[in-house]
Amino acid sequence: DTGVSQNPRHKITKRGQNVTFRCDPISEHNRLYWYRQTLGQGPEFLTYFQNEAQLEKSRLLSDRFSAERPKGSFSTLEIQRTEQGDSAMYLCASSEQGTDTQYFGPGTRLTVL
Amino acid sequence: AQSVAQPEDQVKVAEGNPLTVKCTYSVSGNPYLFWYVQYPNRGLQFLLKYITGDNLVKGSYGFEAEFNKSQTSFHLKKPSALVSDSALYFCAVRDSYYGNNRLAFGKGNQVVVIP
Repeated sequence: DTGVSQNPRHKITKRGQNVTFRCDPISEHNRLYWYRQTLGQGPEFLTYFQNEAQLEKSRLLSDRFSAERPKGSFSTLEIQRTEQGDSAMYLCASSEQGTDTQYFGPGTRLTVL
Repeated sequence: AQSVAQPEDQVKVAEGNPLTVKCTYSVSGNPYLFWYVQYPNRGLQFLLKYITGDNLVKGSYGFEAEFNKSQTSFHLKKPSALVSDSALYFCAVRDSYYGNNRLAFGKGNQVVVIP
């Protein structure tokens, strides 16, 4: 399967703990995106990378959130000092430069107790 | 600003009947429009897109959508619905100005196809 992969698929954590999610994009895609989806809502944009450069960040991305893509391949999204409001599905997508279609991974469902 | 409205929460249709899922958008410039489908506990699966050209675009699984600039709409259609089409459908838009890479999604429409 050469689609976008995300790990873990599910994460349960206690409030105040740090969590990290990983996204592996489609191999030839140099653009990578993170979105957050809460129940009953559509995905909301968090951040965007072109290669290793983080070019866009949403105001939703508070200072507790940090994303990296160190070698322009996989990306990590870290949430520090998690809060119950962080409970959501975190979706990663990738696209090839020059095309407009973003392909999504299966998501990581975070539950903060 | 860019935004999408999907006015109906749920669309119910009998199997074999035509299916329409409505979407209207708002952008400052030219829209790039997308439809995605989501099955339970899964990510979003791309169905089709409109970038430029013919207003009627065809996509996966027999779906098509019509871009209507005057009505700022991009409704998704399927001539004959299947029970397996039951899922959550999202419309998304991206304003085409340089440097904008984020998609804005609607709330989604739950499609229920009744056998």
